[in-house]
Amino acid sequence: DTAVSQTPKYLVTQMGNDKSIKCEQNLGHDTMYWYKQDSKKFLKIMFSYNNKELIINETVPNRFSPKSPDKAHLNLHINSLELGDSAVYFCASSHGREVFFGQGTRLTVV
Amino acid sequence: GENVEQHPSTLSVQEGDSAVIKCTYSDSASNYFPWYKQELGKGPQLIIDIRSNVGEKKDQRIAVTLNKTAKHFSLHITETQPEDSAVYFCAASIGDSGGGADGLTFGKGTHLIIQP
Repeated sequence: DTAVSQTPKYLVTQMGNDKSIKCEQNLGHDTMYWYKQDSKKFLKIMFSYNNKELIINETVPNRFSPKSPDKAHLNLHINSLELGDSAVYFCASSHGREVFFGQGTRLTVV
Repeated sequence: GENVEQHPSTLSVQEGDSAVIKCTYSDSASNYFPWYKQELGKGPQLIIDIRSNVGEKKDQRIAVTLNKTAKHFSLHITETQPEDSAVYFCAASIGDSGGGADGLTFGKGTHLIIQP
């Protein structure tokens, strides 16, 4: 199946831990993103990554860092997790204007 | 930056009736307006989009209209069915590629409930 896939789907972890979420797209897209959806369902962009150029939303804490080993992957690393990081994180990709989203990773920090 | 307002936050309609969701945007430079449907436990799925050089676009039971002067756009769903129940998001962006560096700016979503 052609898609944006991310793992894991659910992630429960303790405060202070470091965790990663993986994302892969096989759509041949040249731009990838990470979005955060909070408890009120509000979707907001965190990062965009295109041809090794990373654009960071200024509101994202530097504990969050995206890493792209190649054009098809954009992983999200989070250090020193805090309770407020609990949310659903969506990976997405685009070629042109249409943006396609993965199924999301529900992160719960306890 | 861009700000997108979406109304209503919840919309309940009888099966078979029409549903309309409205959005306004603030940045006149925005030129791409997609609509996404999000079902429970899933990611947002693109259902229709419109570019700023078009006033209306239709795809079967769904249509989107755009008023550039007033900076608002709307989603219309006719002959609603139970499977239309979901959260719908409008969004706006500038540029040619997924919103570019700024990505998509989303509205806060509308929970559409189709009553049988």
